[in-house]
Order: sequence, then C-alpha cells, then structure tokens
Amino acid sequence: EAGVVQSPRYKIIEKKQPVAFWCNPISGHNTLYWYRQNLGQGPELLIRYENEEAVDDSQLPKDRFSAERLKGVDSTLKIQPAELGDSAVYLCASRPHGGTGELFFGEGSRLTVL
Amino acid sequence: KNEVEQSPQNLTAQEGEFITINCSYSVGISALHWLQQHPGGGIVSLFMLSSGKKKHGRLIATINIQEKHSSLHITASHPRDSAVYICVLGGGADGLTFGKGTHLIIQP
Repeated sequence: EAGVVQSPRYKIIEKKQPVAFWCNPISGHNTLYWYRQNLGQGPELLIRYENEEAVDDSQLPKDRFSAERLKGVDSTLKIQPAELGDSAVYLCASRPHGGTGELFFGEGSRLTVL
Repeated sequence: KNEVEQSPQNLTAQEGEFITINCSYSVGISALHWLQQHPGGGIVSLFMLSSGKKKHGRLIATINIQEKHSSLHITASHPRDSAVYICVLGGGADGLTFGKGTHLIIQP
C-alpha cells in the first residue's frame, strides 16, 4: 500500500511567486495535517483536517497561505505570494480518523525562496 | 496544554552501544508516538503506544502511563540509526504535541 504521497519534493522559486504543494494521504485516512519544519527545528502545525473540514487552522498565516481538501481525500497547500521566510520543508501527515490511530508522514516538500 | 520534555537533546555513542532516549509529559494522554527523521529526509513513524511495551527489530519502546514517561531503546546501535528521534503526544481534539527531538549520532 502506498504511504502518504507529496509533491513536489523540491521547489525553488523567487520571492513574491506563488507555490502549491499537494498531498495524497493513505487511503481511508480521514485526518490530514500540514506541518512546516524549519531547519533544525520541530514541525509546526499549519492546519488539520477531519475529512474536508479544517478543524484547526489557527496557526495558518491566512494572509498568504491557503489550503483545501475539497473531497476529503487529497489536499493542496498554497502560498501566494511567497516570502524568504517561507523557505522550509512542508510535511503532510495522515491518520485514520478523529486524530487517532497510527500517524504516517509523507517525504515532505522542500521549498527554497530566493 | 501538555508539556513534553525529551532527553537527552544530543547523544553521541559508539556502534554497538545500547541507546536510551526519554520522553516525559505533564498531562495524561491517549497515545504517544516515536518518530525518526534522518537528515534531509522525511519522517518515519516507529511506534504508537498507549500502554506497555512494543518491539520492532532492534528498537524497543515502553510507556508508563502512571509516571507519564516513555523510553525508546536501541540495541546494538549502528551508524544508520543516526537520526533525530521525536516523541509526539496525543491526538484527538487536542491535536499533536511534538517534543524537541533527540539528535543521535552513532560513530563506527
């Protein structure tokens, strides 16, 4: 069975450009997380979904970041416009439901903003 | 909010040594996860624990619910075990709480 799939693995853009990351969670997993991880630090939650509902987006910088999970399956995280400080690894994770069960992470999408 | 402390923050050991990484927390939880992250790599879930002990190959994880403490052990450590090991608490409505991680280096 495929794990959590993320794309792209790497992205280099200039500041003020838009960027989007895609995540396909494990089949049947209702809970989906987007995290941002800066170099040498732990992951920071951006948004958590239960099916298509964003149940925790309090840490999402809504002026430039947006996310969607329209059919409660795969999800997209967008940054527009990107800033230098957005350079980080964006991690997607999923769990079966209700924030319970085994936790699975994708490989991450490494963003470099020049 | 649940507080989580991992120790040690950094650990360097020789190949073959027995490794222990600790995780303590302040509020009762439903589950605890141990994750592994190699430099530049993604995160792999090693264990999810709600009680007792689990073993997978050379890795052993234990949890004591009453003492609010978990340990991750590595037997016969190998340089490929070099990674950051992260303790993660909880789930459910409260989401996840990440420890700061333990940077482990196993020297040949």
